[in-house]
Amino acid sequence: KNQVEQSPQSLIILEGKNCTLQCNYTVSPFSNLRWYKQDTGRGPVSLTIMTFSENTKSNGRYTATLDADTKQSSLHITASQLSDSASYICVVSGSTTSGTYKYIFGTGTRLKVLA
Amino acid sequence: NAGVTQTPKFQVLKTGQSMTLQCAQDMNHNSMYWYRQDPGMGLRLIYYSASEGTTDKGEVPNGYNVSRLNKREFSLRLESAAPSQTSVYFCASNSDRVVSQPQHFGDGTRLSIL
Repeated sequence: KNQVEQSPQSLIILEGKNCTLQCNYTVSPFSNLRWYKQDTGRGPVSLTIMTFSENTKSNGRYTATLDADTKQSSLHITASQLSDSASYICVVSGSTTSGTYKYIFGTGTRLKVLA
Repeated sequence: NAGVTQTPKFQVLKTGQSMTLQCAQDMNHNSMYWYRQDPGMGLRLIYYSASEGTTDKGEVPNGYNVSRLNKREFSLRLESAAPSQTSVYFCASNSDRVVSQPQHFGDGTRLSIL
């Protein structure tokens, strides 16, 4: 069964600290893995995307890593800011026989950054 | 750029009432999607449309119907609302056949069924 599991469910850190969020998946066939940020009351917004051949991708203070062999990804946030408080969703896509893509969403990690 | 626009933002219905959630995108995307987001669960696909004039069922289509009115607009209809349909509904769009393109989401419709 295609699944995406994220940990931890929630996390509280102090402003300025670093943190790492985890994503494990069993989606097959695998096409790419994307991290989204979802602010409260808003829709998800794409942060990074990685295909199976990419090990790391950065977007400012956000760095995602991918190990396609172990089917694990992580999102590292450096020097956290209050505005980083949000849910972070891991989404794995795989190709279908019709040539389109299916998207499997994780349940997200809720991050709270305290001043 | 407006991106993906959803209306209404909030709605309260009584059991058995019907309503249509509207979605429009201005990015010339072929593919559009309707998801629901419930506490403790990932977004689940209700219906999607790979191109104008086509629609397909997703993971949780029961109780819903959709219409791809034109390339810009994709509506979701609840014919007889049930409390189990209380959720936040998101519309998304992308160029589905281009792997590097992300899904762009609207800000959701928060729907409560009493």
